[in-house]
Amino acid sequence: GESVGLHLPTLSVQEGDNSIINCAYSNSASDYFIWYKQESGKGPQFIIDIRSNMDKRQGQRVTVLLNKTVKHLSLQIAATQPGDSAVYFCAENLGDSWGKLQFGAGTQVVVTP
Amino acid sequence: ETGVTQSPTHLIKTRGQQVTLRCSSQSGHNTVSWYQQALGQGPQFIFQYYREEENGRGNFPPRFSGLQFPNYSSELNVNALLLGDSALYLCASSPGPGKSSDEQFFGPGTRLTVL
Repeated sequence: GESVGLHLPTLSVQEGDNSIINCAYSNSASDYFIWYKQESGKGPQFIIDIRSNMDKRQGQRVTVLLNKTVKHLSLQIAATQPGDSAVYFCAENLGDSWGKLQFGAGTQVVVTP
Repeated sequence: ETGVTQSPTHLIKTRGQQVTLRCSSQSGHNTVSWYQQALGQGPQFIFQYYREEENGRGNFPPRFSGLQFPNYSSELNVNALLLGDSALYLCASSPGPGKSSDEQFFGPGTRLTVL
């Protein structure tokens, strides 16, 4: 996977605005994608997933978009709140068994008042 | 909080030593996956255990080994530690290898520092 060393890409968002986090994936055969949120000192927490037969899926305040043509995934967070401050990772499923995931490098989201 | 626990929380070892990390899976879960997360990077898949058998392995050398017990808890063992093994080690449990990721829960991780 990609490596950005100690300096994660950072998205600074004002409270109440919408956030868009982008991710490029590498394997055109991947058929399942997941977004995770990781707060400091905690393990990744599932946000939303999407299968390759869909191009959009909505959850509570979150929407995931999948563009298989350019191998791009995005996560949109509506009305961003201070509690949304975290590192966000996209992940794709490896192989034929779920639970084996390849994670992207992550994006640090900072919500400002 | 998830029902997945890991021990110890933090650990300091020196190069060449061996380490064992432990993971207790959520009740009802029979599958445990282990990940290594270096500082500032995404988790990297090490291996998965399903019903006490290894069920897939990532690109890690044989000095990374594991076990799963009849109660589905799991251990990760790393021999001949290198400085580059310093990382957060995460385990994730799920009710089966064919289940969706919304049913897979990560523990808080063990922070390993190799000096």
